[in-house]
Amino acid sequence: ETGVTQSPTHLIKTRGQQVTLRCSSQSGHNTVSWYQQALGQGPQFIFQYYREEENGRGNFPPRFSGLQFPNYSSELNVNALELDDSALYLCASSRPGTGLYEQYFGPGTRLTVT
Amino acid sequence: LAKTTQPISMDSYEGQEVNITCSHNNIATNDYITWYQQFPSQGPRFIIQGYKTKVTNEVASLFIPADRKSSTLSLPRVSLSDTAVYYCLVGDGSSNTGKLIFGQGTTLQVKP
Repeated sequence: ETGVTQSPTHLIKTRGQQVTLRCSSQSGHNTVSWYQQALGQGPQFIFQYYREEENGRGNFPPRFSGLQFPNYSSELNVNALELDDSALYLCASSRPGTGLYEQYFGPGTRLTVT
Repeated sequence: LAKTTQPISMDSYEGQEVNITCSHNNIATNDYITWYQQFPSQGPRFIIQGYKTKVTNEVASLFIPADRKSSTLSLPRVSLSDTAVYYCLVGDGSSNTGKLIFGQGTTLQVKP
């Protein structure tokens, strides 16, 4: 069983640029959530996708957007990057019927904005 | 979602049992208690989940008193590889939105 994978592993961008991060969910999982984790802090919920639609959103501005594809993989897009967007971005997937609190996380993408 | 309070850090030695207590005074009737473990530069890993009394799996035990206002994660005979951050989360397991609310967690340092 393949786990959650994310790409790229690391990324360096300049303030004002746009970035796309990718996530492949674990086999059999149809729900994908994205989290932002700043250094020394716990992960913060950005949004969740279920059946290709946004199914809940945290306290993040509209320049954070996402997509889910028919194969349940997902993208996180961030426009007009700011220095504070530098963080570890985590993707988590979950399968139906197990309870939404049992989520499986990928290794993350480390984004640095300069 | 109920807020949780847990110690910022704990130290232990190899072979000892470690108990991390989490306080969640405002837990709701539908809320479950879930613990995650996170190693540096990795995503969190689900450890255990419970609603009441005691839950045990191959990794840990979770003790929940009758009033459910706190819970204790018990790690038997820890090793150096158990050094990590442990997060206690409380929320509605039946919710359609799997919005996990993480606090700062407890950093466990296991020493030789």
